[in-house]
Amino acid sequence: DTEVTQTPKHLVMGMTNKKSLKCEQHMGHRAMYWYKQKAKKPPELMFVYSYEKLSINESVPSRFSPECPNSSLLNLHLHALQPEDSALYLCASSHALAGEYNEQFFGPGTRLTVL
Amino acid sequence: DAKTTQPPSMDCAEGRAANLPCNHSTISGNEYVYWYRQIHSQGPQYIIHGLKNNETNEMASLIITEDRKSSTLILPHATLRDTAVYYCIVRVRLLQGAQKLVFGQGTRLTINP
Repeated sequence: DTEVTQTPKHLVMGMTNKKSLKCEQHMGHRAMYWYKQKAKKPPELMFVYSYEKLSINESVPSRFSPECPNSSLLNLHLHALQPEDSALYLCASSHALAGEYNEQFFGPGTRLTVL
Repeated sequence: DAKTTQPPSMDCAEGRAANLPCNHSTISGNEYVYWYRQIHSQGPQYIIHGLKNNETNEMASLIITEDRKSSTLILPHATLRDTAVYYCIVRVRLLQGAQKLVFGQGTRLTINP
């Protein structure tokens, strides 16, 4: 199984809602990532988890709250978002090994619209 | 983080070789060059990576200059399904093996019939 799954595929939420994005992989990867991608722009790294611990937070606003409950799951909790947070949210995973071959596998993304 | 520079768009005829250039003049000695592509509305897909030597796999070839300041991705026989945005990335390895990929603006490659 070389797949990263993300749910839901699409999400529409209001600015006062609380919602969560879910990402799952069963490749035994111990590094997981959240990226944000605005239309016609490249993906931008938000968070990196390594061995279920947060390694990197790229100065992301606190209305985005990541969680890694186990080695296969990665969540992104959303609260009080703004319309400018509307984007494609991509999850990725990779081995967390010291060697060179740590290809990141990406999921299909969740397209989020904030009204 | 090392930055990459790519042309914003390129066209190529179906069946011909597509050569996508990338400049990464600030790359440091232990940083790898990775190439990913993103087909419309899908997640990015890994293509190939290299450090110093030229590399080839079933999808593409990667040619890295001797000074490592630039590279070229070659799709030997482009098909319509190769139409995508191609990203040249310099990988930054973090602690415990996790890695940071900093995506540049990419090249939008269009394969024409």
